[in-house]
Amino acid sequence: AQSVSQHNHHVILSEAASLELGCNYSYGGTVNLFWYVQYPGQHLQLLLKYFSGDPLVKGIKGFEAEFIKSKFSFNLRKPSVQWSDTAEYFCAVNQYAGKSTFGDGTTLTVKP
Amino acid sequence: DTGVSQDPRHKITKRGQNVTFRCDPISEHNRLYWYRQTLGQGPEFLTYFQNEAQLEKSRLLSDRFSAERPKGSFSTLEIQRTEQGDSAMYLCASRPGQANTGELFFGEGSRLTVL
Repeated sequence: AQSVSQHNHHVILSEAASLELGCNYSYGGTVNLFWYVQYPGQHLQLLLKYFSGDPLVKGIKGFEAEFIKSKFSFNLRKPSVQWSDTAEYFCAVNQYAGKSTFGDGTTLTVKP
Repeated sequence: DTGVSQDPRHKITKRGQNVTFRCDPISEHNRLYWYRQTLGQGPEFLTYFQNEAQLEKSRLLSDRFSAERPKGSFSTLEIQRTEQGDSAMYLCASRPGQANTGELFFGEGSRLTVL
């Protein structure tokens, strides 16, 4: 069975600080990888996704993630966070065109 | 709004009562998913449909839970004889079936509180 592990439950940063959120998954086969974001009071929405090709993928709002197959990792990064990035971030893996498995999320608080 | 819609958004019920949630997916999406989320946890998969066929159910889905998608459009999730442990946010998501991308489009969720 697939599983997803997010290492940081709560991260607090000041504006302009750099961000890296860790994500590791357990499945060794071909996977699709995602980061979703949930802003306060809003529904989950896609931030970025990886299916194949360049392991460095770029998403909305300046976010990027790097897929490292040998480490089963898909870490999310942003060079300079803003107060508006305060949200909960979920890493997810999809093994085939069926269900996605989510991590437990990381709450990011950005102090102005 | 052409996104995924869920109804009701909030439901408070007494233990032992039955509740039903409805999900209307994005119209051209033939795959529909139900997830459950509790505080501090990520969404947990419950079940999914391709058109009207229920293709997979999680072991989390006890026999008190039933989901349907009778015409391949909207779906309902019913919980019978609710227990306090059923209190959670129930999320619905949809996606196009033909695209092997896996990206899910989520609704706002239906929050259940069992007293």
